[in-house]
Amino acid sequence: GESVGLHLPTLSVQEGDNSIINCAYSNSASDYFIWYKQESGKGPQFIIDIRSNMDKRQGQRVTVLLNKTVKHLSLQIAATQPGDSAVYFCAETREGNNRLAFGKGNQVVVIP
Amino acid sequence: ETGVTQTPRHLVMGMTNKKSLKCEQHLGHNAMYWYKQSAKKPLELMFVYNFKEQTENNSVPSRFSPECPNSSHLFLHLHTLQPEDSALYLCASSQELLDAWEQFFGPGTRLTVL
Repeated sequence: GESVGLHLPTLSVQEGDNSIINCAYSNSASDYFIWYKQESGKGPQFIIDIRSNMDKRQGQRVTVLLNKTVKHLSLQIAATQPGDSAVYFCAETREGNNRLAFGKGNQVVVIP
Repeated sequence: ETGVTQTPRHLVMGMTNKKSLKCEQHLGHNAMYWYKQSAKKPLELMFVYNFKEQTENNSVPSRFSPECPNSSHLFLHLHTLQPEDSALYLCASSQELLDAWEQFFGPGTRLTVL
């Protein structure tokens, strides 16, 4: 099946700095990529998505970059805040598919 | 709040017990999902329901039995579980089955099987 994984298990970042979380995927047929955030005691929450026909998409303080050549996805968080401390999951799917394939997650710890 | 609630939030049960997890979504969505989240593993999709009909059973053991009486409610009935079934069980919903990319998750039920 599809395989989605994350390079770094834990990222510690100083408050105010930018964070970058990376993700590798293996299914070249995937055309939809999503980042979810899971805070302690809560379920995953949708952050931002990107279609395979794009290489960059910006949201509020977050930017997702997609490099289809090397099957790499990244999430950039600008001016990281304590509320950004969470586990971040990348996920992928194909349009029209009812299944999301999630990565293992990457813990982000913001140091005040 | 995401509009998806789950009860109970925590559950401890013995291997011979029978219990049920409940999920309710207040979003008017038509698709609902059960996931299992274990430590150091990706989220595992268990079941998918669309308009109350089960569309996917991801090779889940029969000791887990889902029920979807209507599009707003989803249950997971548990019986004769094993300690390795201890995990966080997450419910999610999406507007339509084909909108699976944007799922709204509940807070989960932390299950411990003794």
